Amino acid sequence: AQSVAQPEDQVNVAEGNPLTVKCTYSVSGNPYLFWYVQYPNRGLQFLLKYITGDNLVKGSYGFEAEFNKSQTSFHLKKPSALVSDSALYFCAVRDDGNTGKLIFGQGTTLQVKP
Amino acid sequence: DSGVTQTPKHLITATGQRVTLRCSPRSGDLSVYWYQQSLDQGLQFLIQYYNGEERAKGNILERFSAQQFPDLHSELNLSSLELGDSALYFCASSKGASRNQPQHFGDGTRLSIL
Repeated sequence: AQSVAQPEDQVNVAEGNPLTVKCTYSVSGNPYLFWYVQYPNRGLQFLLKYITGDNLVKGSYGFEAEFNKSQTSFHLKKPSALVSDSALYFCAVRDDGNTGKLIFGQGTTLQVKP
Repeated sequence: DSGVTQTPKHLITATGQRVTLRCSPRSGDLSVYWYQQSLDQGLQFLIQYYNGEERAKGNILERFSAQQFPDLHSELNLSSLELGDSALYFCASSKGASRNQPQHFGDGTRLSIL
């Protein structure tokens, strides 16, 4: 069965510093991986996806993610954090059946301090 | 703005009651997904519809049902409500049902059972 793990409940970083939010996955075939962000009282916003191709994927708001097949990881990164990046981040993998359902990690709260 | 509209934003009701949550997908999107977000279970997939037909079922209780109408809007019906049904219910949509398409989420309906 497909699964996703986000090992950190919370990540704290100072504004201007690089940030990393970790995600590891377990899939039976090729992984279809996604990152979403959730702001308070809002729905999830799509940031980026990895389907195939380059291991470094660029997304919205300056975020990027690095796919590492050998480590089964898909970490979210940003070179310089902003206070406005503070939110809840979800990593997700697409189900391997003939559906589009997403399987989410438990989420990581990112706190960027000025 | 994701283009996915969910109504109502908030719903407060009592145990044993029945409610209907409504979702209008983005223009042109044929797939609709329903997810439940709660503190203890995280984000859980409930059900998917594609062009009016049920495509996949997740951990959806028998007391819950859904449908997608010819105009592609969808409704999630929750009956015999229990305290544990209190959660945020999200609708998401995508153009098709293939695994590489991102899902776009509405802002959710917050259901509180008293």
